[in-house]
Amino acid sequence: GAVVSQHPSWVICKSGTSVKIECRSLDFQATTMFWYRQFPKQSLMLMATSNEGSKATYEQGVEKDKFLINHASLTLSTLTVTSAHPEDSSFYICSAREGGRNYGYTFGSGTRLTVV
Amino acid sequence: AQTVTQSQPEMSVQEAETVTLSCTYDTSESDYYLFWYKQPPSRQMILVIRQEAYKQQNATENRFSVNFQKAAKSFSLKISDSQLGDAAMYFCAYRSVSNYGGSQGNLIFGKGTKLSVKP
Repeated sequence: GAVVSQHPSWVICKSGTSVKIECRSLDFQATTMFWYRQFPKQSLMLMATSNEGSKATYEQGVEKDKFLINHASLTLSTLTVTSAHPEDSSFYICSAREGGRNYGYTFGSGTRLTVV
Repeated sequence: AQTVTQSQPEMSVQEAETVTLSCTYDTSESDYYLFWYKQPPSRQMILVIRQEAYKQQNATENRFSVNFQKAAKSFSLKISDSQLGDAAMYFCAYRSVSNYGGSQGNLIFGKGTKLSVKP
């Protein structure tokens, strides 16, 4: 079946630094990728939707300058948390969808970000 | 806007017994998809079952089945013969058909139900 690889699975960084999270579709072309944030014991909150070759669409309240999303190819999307602060500590999950009307979604395994 | 409500924050079931997780949603659309996802402690999201709204027949996947009541906008998940490995967070999700392209087509999640399985 479809596989989405997300790296790193966890990262600890110092406040003020930037962190990049990668999401790769391994055996299919993902025309659309979604980035979610999940706080402990809560649901997934959509941060942004990225389409290959175009700018990401951010949800209301999500700072686009802080959470940079790049979807440069049909198999790779990246989320960069810039100038990270402790409040950015969270669990980030990507999800990829194949092109066309296919409603299948495949999730990455998530990245636990801790900013100290 | 569409919303998904899971009214049971936590549920518990005895191993080998049956449990039903409830989900209701609100939409003005006639065509959409509904999903149940499982998130075990590893936090990997796993698709359990999905239902197309235009299909009247309830979806089933082995021990998992749904009771889809379109008029009532209800989409409950029944887990039969519960196993210890079923313990996880379960999320109900909605996806519109009409906006599957572009920047839409995302899943709208409920708040989740934490299922515990007692041996």
